[in-house]
Amino acid sequence: GQQLNQSPQSMFIQEGEDVSMNCTSSSIFNTWLWYKQDPGEGPVLLIALYKAGELTSNGRLTAQFGITRKDSFLNISASIPSDVGIYFCAGQLRRAQFYFGTGTSLTVIP
Amino acid sequence: DVKVTQSSRYLVKRTGEKVFLECVQDMDHENMFWYRQDPGLGLRLIYFSYDVKMKEKGDIPEGYSVSREKKERFSLILESASTNQTSMYLCASSPGQWEQFFGPGTRLTVL
Repeated sequence: GQQLNQSPQSMFIQEGEDVSMNCTSSSIFNTWLWYKQDPGEGPVLLIALYKAGELTSNGRLTAQFGITRKDSFLNISASIPSDVGIYFCAGQLRRAQFYFGTGTSLTVIP
Repeated sequence: DVKVTQSSRYLVKRTGEKVFLECVQDMDHENMFWYRQDPGLGLRLIYFSYDVKMKEKGDIPEGYSVSREKKERFSLILESASTNQTSMYLCASSPGQWEQFFGPGTRLTVL
């Protein structure tokens, strides 16, 4: 199966810092999704992007659907301790075909 | 809010046992999925279903089967559990072409 290249693998940051992570693929996707997973829980959808070039915000989170449709990034501004978790990107080719990145583990140091 | 529930959060089984993992969604979604999640490998698709009684193999179907008798319920079956099936199992549902919604996961340990 296909996998997306997600980077960085892990991040250790101070509370209040901004965070940036991205996903790239060799395939063109119709939809990009960003999820957060807390320990022992299932992923929770943060942001969904449907059009190339689209920039969408959800509170302190901002994500963009790359113009080439082969990449996406997620920014978190002014990080807080509860931002800790694993962040996954996912791309959708067509119905029921979702591909996931390997995740970015975020640690926020108070 | 979409709700996807899984029958167990934690499960411990013995090698060779038949294991059933149940997933229920309450939003009338067409599509349902089963993934397993392992460290360093991300989420890997086992099976998905786009309608009642319909199923499609994902990337790693070996050793698993599924059942979808009703639209809201999608079951994953391990016919004869093995230790390499110890993993976190995630169920998800999707209304069509858009985003997936995940359940809380079942952490299965096979001894």
